Amino acid sequence: GAVVSQHPSWVICKSGTSVKIECRSLDFQATTMFWYRQFPKQSLMLMATSNEGSKATYEQGVEKDKFLINHASLTLSTLTVTSAHPEDSSFYICSARDEPGSSTDTQYFGPGTRLTVL
Amino acid sequence: GQNIDQPTEMTATEGAIVQINCTYQTSGFNGLFWYQQHAGEAPTFLSYNVLDGLEEKGRFSSFLSRSKGYSYLLLKELQMKDSASYLCAVKGGGSYIPTFGRGTSLIVHP
Repeated sequence: GAVVSQHPSWVICKSGTSVKIECRSLDFQATTMFWYRQFPKQSLMLMATSNEGSKATYEQGVEKDKFLINHASLTLSTLTVTSAHPEDSSFYICSARDEPGSSTDTQYFGPGTRLTVL
Repeated sequence: GQNIDQPTEMTATEGAIVQINCTYQTSGFNGLFWYQQHAGEAPTFLSYNVLDGLEEKGRFSSFLSRSKGYSYLLLKELQMKDSASYLCAVKGGGSYIPTFGRGTSLIVHP
């Protein structure tokens, strides 16, 4: 099946620093990737949709200057949390869309990145 | 947008059968997913329904009724490792991006 990796799996940083999270589709090309944030015991909240070679589409309420997304190739998207603050501490999960237009058009998720901002 | 409702928590006994329900309201329904998520891990794909009826896959089955805006995930022969959160996600409203429900936390006890 489709495999998505994410790096790092966890990170602890100081308030005011920036953190970059990588999302890779390992065995398929993903023209579209998605970034989610999940707080404890809450649902997945879509932050943005990342399209290869174009600007990301952000959901309402998500600051695009704070959460920088780059999708430079068909297998890699990155999320950079700039000037991180404690309230940005969360579980960040990426997913990649497999076979748009197929009968399943399924999203496959990476293992997630646990961000803790001190 | 979509409104998705599923129970917050359920408990069941090892070896038993459990049914997790999901109701939704959306325009232009275009598919429903079920995902399993263990604590601290990312969701894993379980099933996808776009037509009415039952889809069986091993111990897991998923049912859809589009007219009722209703789906359920049926887990048979429960195992301790089935303790997890089960997320219902719906595609609709003209978007190919599914909206996730809050998830149902299933606790399987001996």
